[in-house]
Amino acid sequence: AQSVTQLGSHVSVSEGALVLLRCNYSSSVPPYLFWYVQYPNQGLQLLLKYTSAATLVKGINGFEAEFKKSETSFHLTKPSAHMSDAAEYFCAVNSMDSNYQLIWGAGTKLIIKP
Amino acid sequence: ETGVTQSPTHLIKTRGQQVTLRCSSQSGHNTVSWYQQALGQGPQFIFQYYREEENGRGNFPPRFSGLQFPNYSSELNVNALELDDSALYLCASSPDREGTVETQYFGPGTRLLVL
Repeated sequence: AQSVTQLGSHVSVSEGALVLLRCNYSSSVPPYLFWYVQYPNQGLQLLLKYTSAATLVKGINGFEAEFKKSETSFHLTKPSAHMSDAAEYFCAVNSMDSNYQLIWGAGTKLIIKP
Repeated sequence: ETGVTQSPTHLIKTRGQQVTLRCSSQSGHNTVSWYQQALGQGPQFIFQYYREEENGRGNFPPRFSGLQFPNYSSELNVNALELDDSALYLCASSPDREGTVETQYFGPGTRLLVL
């Protein structure tokens, strides 16, 4: 069965430091991969997506992610953390059973220290 | 702001009751998906509707049902509520059927607590 693993339920970084949120997936076919962000009391907002074009994907708010097939990874990075980045981040992969169903990771809460 | 709204924002029910959650999609969005997000977990796909018909379902029992209306609104109904149904329920709308994985716009969710 397909799955998405996000390493670390909580990640804490200092303001201005590098942000690295890890995502590994299992899929026997080339996947579509996504990162979503969820701010408190809000819905999910698409940060970026990989759809078999360029392996380095740039998203909103200065985030980017690199698809590495050999490592089955799609880690999310941002060079310099800002206080406004504090939120929960979810990685997701499209289901092999249907294009419209997403398989989600458990999420990583990003904490920014002043 | 995605243009997708949900009501109510919070709801408290008791075990065995029935609940109806509502979602209003963006105009022109023919596809709506519903997800359940338990505390500390990622969303779980419940089902999807396209032009008022269910066209996909996740691993949820039949007591979870839905409706989609021509005016881009939709409902999630849950019968015989159980304690484990306590969660944030999210709806997401998409402007087309194919490639909907790329273009889902989420509402803020309804937080349901079952006592």
